[in-house]
Amino acid sequence: AQSVTQPDIHITVSEGASLELRCNYSYGATPYLFWYVQSPGQGLQLLLKYFSGDTLVQGIKGFEAEFKRSQSSFNLRKPSVHWSDAAEYFCAVSSASKIIFGSGTRLSIRP
Amino acid sequence: GAVVSQHPSRVICKSGTSVKIECRSLDFQATTMFWYRQFPKQSLMLMATSNEGSKATYEQGVEKDKFLINHASLTLSTLTVTSAHPEDSSFYICSAGGGGMNTEAFFGQGTRLTVV
Repeated sequence: AQSVTQPDIHITVSEGASLELRCNYSYGATPYLFWYVQSPGQGLQLLLKYFSGDTLVQGIKGFEAEFKRSQSSFNLRKPSVHWSDAAEYFCAVSSASKIIFGSGTRLSIRP
Repeated sequence: GAVVSQHPSRVICKSGTSVKIECRSLDFQATTMFWYRQFPKQSLMLMATSNEGSKATYEQGVEKDKFLINHASLTLSTLTVTSAHPEDSSFYICSAGGGGMNTEAFFGQGTRLTVV
């Protein structure tokens, strides 16, 4: 069965530091992968997506993610975080009929 | 990207009453929409897939008689929480798209339901 694992429940980084949020997926076919961000009490905003092609994808707000098939991973990165990046981040995989979300990683920014 | 509007953003209702939440795709036609429920500090749990012109498909464990879904047009799906109880209090989010390969989902802003 398809699944998405985000092993880190909560991460705190200092403003200006680099960030990497981990995501591992389990899917039998070629996965279609997403990263979404959610601010408190809000819906989800798409940061980036991978369907095919270049395994390093660029997204909005300076985020990027790298698809590594051999590791079944799709980690999200940002070279320098800003206080406004504090939010909940969800990795997701699209199956034939629906999107499956990971449990989320809450990102806090230390001033 | 496409715009999905969800209304209301917040609603408070009394136990035993029903509440309707609307999800509209403003600039595209959505044959399929999805309804999620999110508990505090948790991920999105898919409740059901709303199919235009046909019955919704509910996930295991979701009571279809309690969570009524109607998708009468290509731009509107509604979720009605019937005979609401305090345990139904939650954050409900809808999305359009994302139901097939190589497609992206667009999410509404969410509805915070509080049953008192």
